[in-house]
Amino acid sequence: GAGVSQSPSNKVTEKGKDVELRCDPISGHTALYWYRQRLGQGLEFLIYFQGNSAPDKSGLPSDRFSAERTGESVSTLTIQRTQQEDSAVYLCASSRGGVVRAYEQYFGPGTRLTVT
Amino acid sequence: GENVEQHPSTLSVQEGDSAVIKCTYSDSASNYFPWYKQELGKRPQLIIDIRSNVGEKKDQRIAVTLNKTAKHFSLHITETQPEDSAVYFCAAMNSGGSNYKLTFGKGTLLTVNP
Repeated sequence: GAGVSQSPSNKVTEKGKDVELRCDPISGHTALYWYRQRLGQGLEFLIYFQGNSAPDKSGLPSDRFSAERTGESVSTLTIQRTQQEDSAVYLCASSRGGVVRAYEQYFGPGTRLTVT
Repeated sequence: GENVEQHPSTLSVQEGDSAVIKCTYSDSASNYFPWYKQELGKRPQLIIDIRSNVGEKKDQRIAVTLNKTAKHFSLHITETQPEDSAVYFCAAMNSGGSNYKLTFGKGTLLTVNP
């Protein structure tokens, strides 16, 4: 079946503008994660959704970052008033979740965000 | 919260040699330890994982060992090939709770020289 998809693949925006990044997880996956990966760096956890539970927002770097998920499907990561340090690849991942003890995370191709 | 340290940050080996990457974790309740491989410009992909009820797991040229007492786990790649060149990330999770969040190490850039 289809894997995790993300859009857009690339986004160039001016400093101060808002951006929305979209993630379509694998169908049936209850868990969805957002990560930020700066050039040559590791995976920085941002936020995690699990079913109908309250999301784990502990990784969001500031109140300019927010995310929503509609049920167990699409998620949107919003960055308001973008700054140059927001430039990075934003990766989304999904997994079947803990109910079936299936923890493997399947990553999307990422959105490369460049703030000029 | 969990903290995962990964070493070395870069590793260069000759084709055919073995490569070992080590990780330590801080939360003794963590019980699931995956390794992800990320080739240049591509997305991370799971290559092997281990749960805390076993000490070692092997899949062809790749093996992972876990020492729960010392809270460290390692990735072993034998007979390395140029296509093994990538960034490798270790991670840890406590699957006993209701939060299935992975904490990743900072990654190891492995270069296999032909």
